[in-house]
Amino acid sequence: AAGVIQSPRHLIKEKRETATLKCYPIPRHDTVYWYQQGPGQDPQFLISFYEKMQSDKGSIPDRFSAQQFSDYHSELNMSSLELGDSALYFCASSIRRTGGTDTQYFGPGTRLTVL
Amino acid sequence: QQQVKQSPQSLIVQKGGIPIINCAYENTAFDYFPWYQQFPGKGPALLIAIRPDVSEKKEGRFTISFNKSAKQFSLHIMDSQPGDSATYFCAAVYNDMRFGAGTRLTVKP
Repeated sequence: AAGVIQSPRHLIKEKRETATLKCYPIPRHDTVYWYQQGPGQDPQFLISFYEKMQSDKGSIPDRFSAQQFSDYHSELNMSSLELGDSALYFCASSIRRTGGTDTQYFGPGTRLTVL
Repeated sequence: QQQVKQSPQSLIVQKGGIPIINCAYENTAFDYFPWYQQFPGKGPALLIAIRPDVSEKKEGRFTISFNKSAKQFSLHIMDSQPGDSATYFCAAVYNDMRFGAGTRLTVKP
């Protein structure tokens, strides 16, 4: 079965640079979520999109922005990178169900290292 | 502030043992409680999930027990195997998903 695809899998950037992470949801999934996971920590919800509109917002820094495109893929743009942004970034996708709660399926993650 | 409290932080059992991981929540708006298994460097993988109108759900060797009045739920792993060694996260969902802090499980051969 097709899974969530994330690219790149690894990314190394310098401080103050920008980075763009991409997420391709499971086919027919209409909702995308972004999470940040630091070493030894639980995933922290950043932001989500449903049908190309921002759905919920978590602890996403103002330096980060994201969007969902017409083909449902999503991009997380990170500017003015800081050392503390080094983490695993996961994308998850789901199908929005009327009256129900959506099960989220996670991608393999992008490991961002800021030097 | 952790909206979902998970314990223990780490757990070591022998092969065949039954590790139990506990979670508690405060927000009664949560209406879906999944458990995820994560191996190092990999994305969390959905293991099993439960809704608050059910007190127990079993899938293979994994069982969730849910106590709505106490706002607690737990994961039991029957006949645990070394391959079950991973970090387990409980989560609670209402619009967005909040994770527990995780439990690092080690199953010794």
